[in-house]
Amino acid sequence: AQSVTQLGSHVSVSEGALVLLRCNYSSSVPPYLFWYVQYPNQGLQLLLKYTSAATLVKGINGFEAEFKKSETSFHLTKPSAHMSDAAEYFCAVSGSGSARQLTFGSGTQLTVLP
Amino acid sequence: DAGVIQSPRHEVTEMGQEVTLRCKPISGHDYLFWYRQTMMRGLELLIYFNNNVPIDDSGMPEDRFSAKMPNASFSTLKIQPSEPRDSAVYFCAILSNWDTGYTFGSGTRLTVV
Repeated sequence: AQSVTQLGSHVSVSEGALVLLRCNYSSSVPPYLFWYVQYPNQGLQLLLKYTSAATLVKGINGFEAEFKKSETSFHLTKPSAHMSDAAEYFCAVSGSGSARQLTFGSGTQLTVLP
Repeated sequence: DAGVIQSPRHEVTEMGQEVTLRCKPISGHDYLFWYRQTMMRGLELLIYFNNNVPIDDSGMPEDRFSAKMPNASFSTLKIQPSEPRDSAVYFCAILSNWDTGYTFGSGTRLTVV
């Protein structure tokens, strides 16, 4: 069974500072990994995904993530935070086998300080 | 989220009433999922379908919950009778292929009073 752990339920950064949101996964099969963003009272928007191609994945809004199998990690980064990045971020894992369900982490609320 | 249309966006109902949530995928897909989001439990998978057939319903909390997918363009999640603890945001999502990934609808916010 797959699982995801997001370290830090709340992260605060200053505008212009580096954003680093941590995600570790557990999977019995080669995983597919995803980051989603959720703005207040809205649905989930896909930021980026890893599906066994390049280990460094670039997404929308300047975000990127690196798949590190040895560390079972898929941390999300952005070099310079913008006020509009304030939202909740979810890491999720899906098996590449017959099981297609997406298992989510508990989420990280990102606050961007002026 | 143009790929998935959910209705209604908001639903307020009294305890004991039947509630039906609707999901209409706009784009092609092989898989359809129902998730529930609460502050306490986060995002939980309730059930998912492959080619309109239920594959895993182990997340459906009780017999009060049921889901159907009569065709590739429509799915419903029904709660009968509803209880206050069912209050949550319910999301429908689809998976077409790994290039597009999972696409979520805007959700239905259910409040049971």
